[in-house]
Amino acid sequence: QVQLQESGPGLVKPSETLSLTCTVSGGSINNYYWSWIRQPPGKGLEWIGCIYYSGSTNYNPSLKSRVTISVDTSKNQFSLKLNSVTAADTAVYYCARSQWLANWFDPWGQGTLVTISS
Amino acid sequence: QSVLTQPPSASGTPGQRVTISCSGSSSNIGGNIVNWYQQLPGTAPTLLIYKNSQRPSGVPDRFSGSKSGTSASLAISGLQSEDEADYYCAAWDDSLNGWVFGGGTKLNVL
Repeated sequence: QVQLQESGPGLVKPSETLSLTCTVSGGSINNYYWSWIRQPPGKGLEWIGCIYYSGSTNYNPSLKSRVTISVDTSKNQFSLKLNSVTAADTAVYYCARSQWLANWFDPWGQGTLVTISS
Repeated sequence: QSVLTQPPSASGTPGQRVTISCSGSSSNIGGNIVNWYQQLPGTAPTLLIYKNSQRPSGVPDRFSGSKSGTSASLAISGLQSEDEADYYCAAWDDSLNGWVFGGGTKLNVL
């Protein structure tokens, strides 16, 4: 079955850019929406944004000015860039799949902790 | 402050039935489907209930979901110790043009 795996630096300095990649295995990235969701330590879930395999995007209005999500169908990957990070961006970042824009997330990746610190 | 409102905690003893509420508005729950996710300690969330009341394969029928107006509920019957987890509701929000989550409910099995 489809599996998702996040990868990227676990430590990012304040004011720099957080970059993560989600690799999709066991299935094609085509014909699905792909989201990034984060969870600060001890807190709840926050949707960051999503991308359709064709490249169209939707972003959380609260993060829109700092977020870019892109897709590379040839590598079956999609990526997240979050710029001008602060300690408030410290979180476990998950990637997840949905069949339609307002559908449901399944499956999820295992998550990767990104700490913002100098 | 989450857009969807859940109680921060719930508890029950083995065998009991517990319910977790999720309150929203016309722009999210009132006009779109509600999904529920279970997050076991130290793991990623997994889909528990989709399209208000549907269970993915592998989810026991002890778990059920419902929606009425701008609120939704998750019910767990025959509570088991392995049900101790955080539970999140989620819905698409037409005003925000994005997904919103509840703040999560930590379920303790006493």
